[in-house]
Amino acid sequence: AQSVTQPDIHITVSEGASLELRCNYSYGATPYLFWYVQSPGQGLQLLLKYFSGDTLVQGIKGFEAEFKRSQSSFNLRKPSVHWSDAAEYFCAVGARGGSNYKLTFGKGTLLTVNP
Amino acid sequence: EPEVTQTPSHQVTQMGQEVILRCVPISNHLYFYWYRQILGQKVEFLVSFYNNEISEKSEIFDDQFSVERPDGSNFTLKIRSTKLEDSAMYFCASEQFFGPGTRLTVL
Repeated sequence: AQSVTQPDIHITVSEGASLELRCNYSYGATPYLFWYVQSPGQGLQLLLKYFSGDTLVQGIKGFEAEFKRSQSSFNLRKPSVHWSDAAEYFCAVGARGGSNYKLTFGKGTLLTVNP
Repeated sequence: EPEVTQTPSHQVTQMGQEVILRCVPISNHLYFYWYRQILGQKVEFLVSFYNNEISEKSEIFDDQFSVERPDGSNFTLKIRSTKLEDSAMYFCASEQFFGPGTRLTVL
């Protein structure tokens, strides 16, 4: 069974600083990988996804993520954080074949942005 | 851009009552899902639905739960007899796109 680990429960950065949120997954083959963002009381917005091909994936809101097979990681990055990026971020993995979008989520990383 | 909608946004019910949560998925998608998120916990898969039938379900999705797509557009989750522990945010997903959720509160 697949699993996702987000080692950082809470991260605080200053506005304008760079950001990297860590995600490690466990899966027997190359999975489908996703990052979602959730603002308080809101739904899950898809930031980006990796299915195949280029291991550096560009998403919305200036985010990118890099799939590293050797490290079983899919870390999310942003070069310059804005105050509006404060939210909770979830990494998720989907199994290939069949229902590709049956997702297993990590516990999330809460991002606080200081002015 | 098409989006997933869910109604109601918030549902309050008494323990033992039946609730139906509704979703309108994206029309040309094939796979639909229900997930739940108990407050402060991670998002958990409940059930997937393909070709008008359940394709996979989790151990959470017991006999109290059912799903259907009665008219080819709406996708519903029914909880027959709600328990306190069913209080959670319920998300419908149309492939990788999630709806805004329904917050279910069981008193």
